[in-house]
Amino acid sequence: EADIYQTPRYLVIGTGKKITLECSQTMGHDKMYWYQQDPGMELHLIHYSYGVNSTEKGDLSSESTVSRIRTEHFPLTLESARPSHTSQYLCASSDRQGDNSPLHFGNGTRLTVT
Amino acid sequence: DQQVKQNSPSLSVQEGRISILNCDYTNSMFDYFLWYKKYPAEGPTFLISISSIKDKNEDGRFTVFLNKSAKHLSLHIVPSQPGDSAVYFCAASYGGTSYGKLTFGQGTILTVHP
Repeated sequence: EADIYQTPRYLVIGTGKKITLECSQTMGHDKMYWYQQDPGMELHLIHYSYGVNSTEKGDLSSESTVSRIRTEHFPLTLESARPSHTSQYLCASSDRQGDNSPLHFGNGTRLTVT
Repeated sequence: DQQVKQNSPSLSVQEGRISILNCDYTNSMFDYFLWYKKYPAEGPTFLISISSIKDKNEDGRFTVFLNKSAKHLSLHIVPSQPGDSAVYFCAASYGGTSYGKLTFGQGTILTVHP
């Protein structure tokens, strides 16, 4: 069973605030991802990392940034939150390259920017 | 442009009957397909996958069929149970899921009535 944790689960914050969404996994997975999902819509990849000090932007342009200083930790930061950032953010991880192991998702952070 | 489409937003089925969820894709480069299930307030959970070299994969009550010429896949659940009620997402990738860069459909809400 996958162990991937996201905090907070819900966040309501005012425009202009800086926020960091936390994501941690205890499985030692090299690959980690951030997906964004609006209600009733598909998930879109916004960031991914293949290992420590490796980060790439995904298919959907995002004003957020990520860092990967430790294998188990992949936080996402918004320097100045805006109402357009209101969405659900899902973190995921997967096993080593070359293995068709599926993504394991956390329970997500539902962000509301007022 | 949406490369993975689930044209039925919802499906309602009686307990014990078959549930058939459909998914179409446009990118012929996709060679690996997955189905995820998502309950409210939880992250997606991997259900079943299929490689493009196969046309069928079965796991217990769940069977996925792939028709490459039609660029179509379907998920069959037999028999359906009330606990299967959830949102089902179809996803696709190329180069295997080792890169985790999945393209998702919008999801289909399945309701199984007792």
